[in-house]
Amino acid sequence: GEQVEQLPSSLIVQEGASVLINCSYTDSASVYFPWYKQEPGKRLQFIIDIRSNMERKQTQRLTLLFDKKTKHLSLHITATQPGDSAIYFCSAYNTNTGKLTFGDGTVLTVKP
Amino acid sequence: EAGVTQSPRYAVLQEGQAVSFWCDPISGHDTLYWYQQPRDQGPQLLVYFRDEAVIDNSQLPSDRFSAVRPKGTNSTLKIQSAKQGDTATYLCASRRLGGGEQYFGPGTRLTVL
Repeated sequence: GEQVEQLPSSLIVQEGASVLINCSYTDSASVYFPWYKQEPGKRLQFIIDIRSNMERKQTQRLTLLFDKKTKHLSLHITATQPGDSAIYFCSAYNTNTGKLTFGDGTVLTVKP
Repeated sequence: EAGVTQSPRYAVLQEGQAVSFWCDPISGHDTLYWYQQPRDQGPQLLVYFRDEAVIDNSQLPSDRFSAVRPKGTNSTLKIQSAKQGDTATYLCASRRLGGGEQYFGPGTRLTVL
């Protein structure tokens, strides 16, 4: 089945820095890639997504890049704030199975 | 719109006890998912429904876990005889037909002693 890997597993940065979270998947039948954020004690919250017919998507301080050939995604967060501290999950939706497979998350800590 | 709701929020059991989790999806969302999220891992799909039909339950430990969605709205996930390895947060999510992202509930944190 699909496997999703995220790196790094954790990041600690100073407020204002930019961060990059990498994600790779294995199944070429995955066509949709939503990302979620999980703050302590809160529910998973959708933050950005991209479909396999796109290469780039940007919203506010988030930029998501997608390389179909290498099965790789990267999430770039600019001008980080302490409120960005959370676990970030990459996921891959397989159109054949209807299943969403998650990575194990990247723990981001932004220090003021 | 009201979000996905789950109850209870927490459960603590001894091994061998049974427990049920309840989920109320967003109104109009035809697809409902149950995930298990062990500590420090991502959510892992257990089962999902489209309306009242089970579409995939291949990851559900069928000897002890069961899930139903009888009217295509609310859903119940039941563990018959809990084991320590079932300790995790159980998440419910819903999605509308043709929609993109799934919407998650707050989860039920289960501890099996």
